[in-house]
Amino acid sequence: GAGVSQSPSNKVTEKGKDVELRCDPISGHTALYWYRQSLGQGLEFLIYFQGNSAPDKSGLPSDRFSAERTGGSVSTLTIQRTQQEDSAVYLCASGTTGETQYFGPGTRLTVL
Amino acid sequence: GQQVMQIPQYQHVQEGEDFTTYCNSSTTLSNIQWYKQRPGGHPVFLIQLVKSGEVKKQKRLTFQFGEAKKNSSLHITATQTTDVGTYFCAGNRLTNAGKSTFGDGTTLTVKP
Repeated sequence: GAGVSQSPSNKVTEKGKDVELRCDPISGHTALYWYRQSLGQGLEFLIYFQGNSAPDKSGLPSDRFSAERTGGSVSTLTIQRTQQEDSAVYLCASGTTGETQYFGPGTRLTVL
Repeated sequence: GQQVMQIPQYQHVQEGEDFTTYCNSSTTLSNIQWYKQRPGGHPVFLIQLVKSGEVKKQKRLTFQFGEAKKNSSLHITATQTTDVGTYFCAGNRLTNAGKSTFGDGTTLTVKP
């Protein structure tokens, strides 16, 4: 079956612009994570959705970052007023619980 | 909060040598997962360990979960160049709504 998909695969934007990154999880998966990964670094947790529970937003680095998950399926990560330090690969993962995670291919964001 | 530490951060081996990465949690875990990320790729789920003292094998890979469920290891026998990548562990606390916490990963390079 289809895995986790993310779009766009690459995004180049100018400093100060807003960007939206999309994640389509595996159908039926109730858990969804967003991570950020800078080159050669580990996975930085951003936000966790689990079913109808309030999302765990404890990893969002600033109020410029927000995420939504509509209808328990598709999720959008929005970064407002992008900064150069926001440049990274943004990874989405989904799972049936919060445990085993299936990752998408990521969106590579470059802020000029 | 929960912390998951991985050592070593980097490991360089000659092809055919063995490799081990260790994962240690500051709190007791309900389970732990291991992932592999190839260069340029996204993390891919390898295995989940649930029981105290559990040992699982996948070909040349051996995964162990400690008796106290606070540490885990991944051992690769006779490394091959295809083993190159970063290996991450991720732990779930007993009471945390299923949310996983990733270690920083161990990056393995194999010299042919």
